[in-house]
Amino acid sequence: DGGITQSPKYLFRKEGQNVTLSCEQNLNHDAMYWYRQDPGQGLRLIYYSQIVNDFQKGDIAEGYSVSREKKESFPLTVTSAQKNPTAFYLCASSIRDSTDEQFFGPGTRLTVL
Amino acid sequence: DQQVKQNSPSLSVQEGRISILNCDYTNSMFDYFLWYKKYPAEGPTFLISISSIKDKNEDGRFTVFLNKSAKHLSLHIVPSQPGDSAVYFCAARGYGAGSYQLTFGKGTKLSVIP
Repeated sequence: DGGITQSPKYLFRKEGQNVTLSCEQNLNHDAMYWYRQDPGQGLRLIYYSQIVNDFQKGDIAEGYSVSREKKESFPLTVTSAQKNPTAFYLCASSIRDSTDEQFFGPGTRLTVL
Repeated sequence: DQQVKQNSPSLSVQEGRISILNCDYTNSMFDYFLWYKKYPAEGPTFLISISSIKDKNEDGRFTVFLNKSAKHLSLHIVPSQPGDSAVYFCAARGYGAGSYQLTFGKGTKLSVIP
């Protein structure tokens, strides 16, 4: 079955710790994205990558970092510099430059205590 | 400045009736529009889309209408079913910084009452 997996579904961390969220896809998509969703808010773009070893900042990249060493994987690190890290994080992928939709993973709920 | 606006945070509709979800946008360069459906604690799933060169697209119970002059689109669900209860996000595609990106609205929570 093709799709996007994110793990874990729920994650708890102490304030001041970095944490890395996993995102893997087997859809052979070139482009991958990370979004953040807060209550009552739409999805806001954190980072995106159109191709391996390349990525760009989205609208709210401060306090986050990413890597794209493999086509299938696009991990997101939430650093201690992110002021309000508690949120629901969504990873997505799409065929590069496609008119079609982005496919989303199930999301990771991060809670920083 | 919000480029994609869904001004109704919530909507309640009786089962079997029509649900109409609205979305307004400000950027005239958006060329493609999508609707996503999202259940709690899950990722959004694609529902239906429309290109800016069309004014209507239909898929089963779901129809999206686009009024470019008004920069307005709407999603019609008829007949509405309890399983349609979810948050619906409107998204618009624009090109910038060498790539296409989606801009999402804040969502409308639809409740279909049995």
